Amino acid sequence: AQSVAQPEDQVNVAEGNPLTVKCTYSVSGNPYLFWYVQYPNRGLQFLLKYITGDNLVKGSYGFEAEFNKSQTSFHLKKPSALVSDSALYFCAVSPLGNNRLAFGKGNQVVVIP
Amino acid sequence: AAGVIQSPRHLIKEKRETATLKCYPIPRHDTVYWYQQGPGQDPQFLISFYEKMQSDKGSIPDRFSAQQFSDYHSELNMSSLELGDSALYFCASSLVDTEAFFGQGTRLTVV
Repeated sequence: AQSVAQPEDQVNVAEGNPLTVKCTYSVSGNPYLFWYVQYPNRGLQFLLKYITGDNLVKGSYGFEAEFNKSQTSFHLKKPSALVSDSALYFCAVSPLGNNRLAFGKGNQVVVIP
Repeated sequence: AAGVIQSPRHLIKEKRETATLKCYPIPRHDTVYWYQQGPGQDPQFLISFYEKMQSDKGSIPDRFSAQQFSDYHSELNMSSLELGDSALYFCASSLVDTEAFFGQGTRLTVV
């Protein structure tokens, strides 16, 4: 069975500093990997996905993620965090390449002004 | 751009009652997904439909049923509601081989 681990419950970062949200996965075959963001009382917003090709994926709002097959990781990064980036971030995997997603527990990101 | 529309946004029901949640996908999207997100939990896949046919089934209780209609909107029917059914229910839509776009969700509270 597929699984996603987001080891940190909350990530605190000062505004302007680099932001990293960690994700590791366990799935057989070649997974499709996703990052979604959820603002309070809102739906999930798609940020980016990895299917194949370049290990560095660029997404919305200045976010990017790096696929590392040997470490089975797909960490989300942003070079300079904004206060408006404060939200709940979910990593997800789809082993079948469809949108039946298995989500991680989510990481609360708090960007401190 | 048009997004996934869910109605109602909030719903309060008593135990053992029935609830119907509606989802209107993005125009021309042919696949609809339903997810359940309990308090402080990650979203869990319930069921999906492709071209009005059930395409996949996850951890959906037998008390729940869903369908996709000819206009591609979908409804999730929940009967004999339990307190544990209180959650945020998301609908998402996509084209084949594209990422899913999620609606804002319906918050169901069972009292």
